[in-house]
Amino acid sequence: DAGVIQSPRHEVTEMGQEVTLRCKPISGHDYLFWYRQTMMRGLELLIYFNNNVPIDDSGMPEDRFSAKMPNASFSTLKIQPSEPRDSAVYFCASSFTGNQPQHFGDGTRLSIL
Amino acid sequence: DQQVKQNSPSLSVQEGRISILNCDYTNSMFDYFLWYKKYPAEGPTFLISISSIKDKNEDGRFTVFLNKSAKHLSLHIVPSQPGDSAVYFCAASGQGNLIFGKGTKLSVKP
Repeated sequence: DAGVIQSPRHEVTEMGQEVTLRCKPISGHDYLFWYRQTMMRGLELLIYFNNNVPIDDSGMPEDRFSAKMPNASFSTLKIQPSEPRDSAVYFCASSFTGNQPQHFGDGTRLSIL
Repeated sequence: DQQVKQNSPSLSVQEGRISILNCDYTNSMFDYFLWYKKYPAEGPTFLISISSIKDKNEDGRFTVFLNKSAKHLSLHIVPSQPGDSAVYFCAASGQGNLIFGKGTKLSVKP
């Protein structure tokens, strides 16, 4: 079974550049979540979607961050402009319902120089 | 303010012995709790869960205990194996999204 697929696995870019992270959830899952993991803050929820509609984006740190889910099989997380403090591992996860275990992708390790 | 806390950043256990990982939470509205395991360079993998209507759930070598009055849950691994070495995250849910603890790194020594 294909799990949650994230791309790229690694991204290194200079500050000020636009960064786009991509996620393909598990087919049939109605919920999609974006997380950020840092040493200081651990694993924190940025935003989640239900049936392609953003439900809670209170974890999105700033207006530089935006997320979209144009269809049930694809989502993007964009950072524009990027800053060094955005360096982290970003995970995407999906679940069948809101109270089912979430399945995580392997993450994108983002480094902003 | 952290709603889900794992106060031990690391734990070292001998192979064959019991590993006990602890987690505390502050929000009494949480009604579903999960444990995830994470290996380096991989995403967290779901391990076991428990609903607030139960106080114990068992799956093979893994058992989760929930003490609602103390707002505490624990994960027991018996017997521990070297392949269990990973970071373990506790998570709690109340409204569809999960709140994660910062994780405990378990090392099981042969």
